[in-house]
Amino acid sequence: GQNIDQPTEMTATEGAIVQINCTYQTSGFNGLFWYQQHAGEAPTFLSYNVLDGLEEKGRFSSFLSRSKGYSYLLLKELQMKDSASYLCAVTPGGSYIPTFGRGTSLIVHP
Amino acid sequence: DSGVTQTPKHLITATGQRVTLRCSPRSGDLSVYWYQQSLDQGLQFLIQYYNGEERAKGNILERFSAQQFPDLHSELNLSSLELGDSALYFCASSAHFSGGSGELFFGEGSRLTVL
Repeated sequence: GQNIDQPTEMTATEGAIVQINCTYQTSGFNGLFWYQQHAGEAPTFLSYNVLDGLEEKGRFSSFLSRSKGYSYLLLKELQMKDSASYLCAVTPGGSYIPTFGRGTSLIVHP
Repeated sequence: DSGVTQTPKHLITATGQRVTLRCSPRSGDLSVYWYQQSLDQGLQFLIQYYNGEERAKGNILERFSAQQFPDLHSELNLSSLELGDSALYFCASSAHFSGGSGELFFGEGSRLTVL
């Protein structure tokens, strides 16, 4: 089976930096996604990693270490609108269907 | 706006009943995915269709069924509903058979409440 772990909840201050970790144990690996989901809304794509290293996109960066089964999403210059759930999803080997973790609820306060 | 349309947005029904959720993918997308999201389980993959054919099955109950029509819209049928089926049901689409590096585009979801 697939196992994806993320912290349930994190809090941070507006303007700060926060790192959301994701560890996974899957049968093989075909890629890792991060999605953002505001309460009651649809998940929206943030990033995709298939090779080791850091992918930067504006205020958001995502890192992957395949050997460690580990990824993180780094959010810089936090804004109130970044308060949302962040979902880590892994596409296991031999599959193309993302398996989602339960998500990390990020609360940004002034 | 992801371009994926789901109806209805909200649905309240009783145990034992049957409902149909509808999804129109983004223009040009051939793959449709159905996910169930409940508070204690997160996003759970149910089933995927590609160009009218079933391609992958996840944790979909036998009481649930789906299909994709020639115009590429999809329907998820939920029958003999139980309280535990109350959840947010998302449809997502992608351009290709294989998700690969291609992101999934999610609809706004259909919130089902079973009383």
